[in-house]
Amino acid sequence: DAGVTQSPTHLIKTRGQHVTLRCSPISGHKSVSWYQQVLGQGPQFIFQYYEKEERGRGNFPDRFSARQFPNYSSELNVNALLLGDSALYLCASSFFPTSGGETQYFGPGTRLLVL
Amino acid sequence: TQLLEQSPQFLSIQEGENLTVYCNSSSVFSSLQWYRQEPGEGPVLLVTVVTGGEVKKLKRLTFQFGDARKDSSLHITAAQPGDTGLYLCAGAPTQGGSEKLVFGKGTKLTVNP
Repeated sequence: DAGVTQSPTHLIKTRGQHVTLRCSPISGHKSVSWYQQVLGQGPQFIFQYYEKEERGRGNFPDRFSARQFPNYSSELNVNALLLGDSALYLCASSFFPTSGGETQYFGPGTRLLVL
Repeated sequence: TQLLEQSPQFLSIQEGENLTVYCNSSSVFSSLQWYRQEPGEGPVLLVTVVTGGEVKKLKRLTFQFGDARKDSSLHITAAQPGDTGLYLCAGAPTQGGSEKLVFGKGTKLTVNP
């Protein structure tokens, strides 16, 4: 079975532009989460979606938004890009959101560079 | 805010040596996961521990979850160059019921042949 897939793999943008990142979860998984990983740091939680509804949001500005589609794939949008948005953006999927023991599986990420 | 601190941040050892990586917090987590990440790739899950005091073994890797579910350790026996990578611990918060994982900053391990 295919794992979590993300596109594009790499992206270069300039300050002020907008970017859309895409994620397809593992077949059967209904929950998708997005993380930002800045070089040298651990991933930081951005959003969680389950059944097309936002279930959680991390400490990120409103320039960051996301949505989940009926097929459970997801998009992360970032407006008015800043240099500090340069990072590896990771998508993770799982069957459903529960507390304790529910495992998330990560995709390979999208490397975004903002110039 | 629940934080996870990993130590050491960097570790460079010779092939065949043993090592332990620590993951500590002042908060209780409902579960804790260990991942290994290679440059430019996403984290790959190694193990999930759920019960306080739980010990899990994966070949040469031994994972332990603290009795109070606030800390965890990863021990590697007879390290090999293929073990080189960034090891991340991640905790699932006890409140909120969400899948938000709180990650440590990671331990960058280099095993020299």
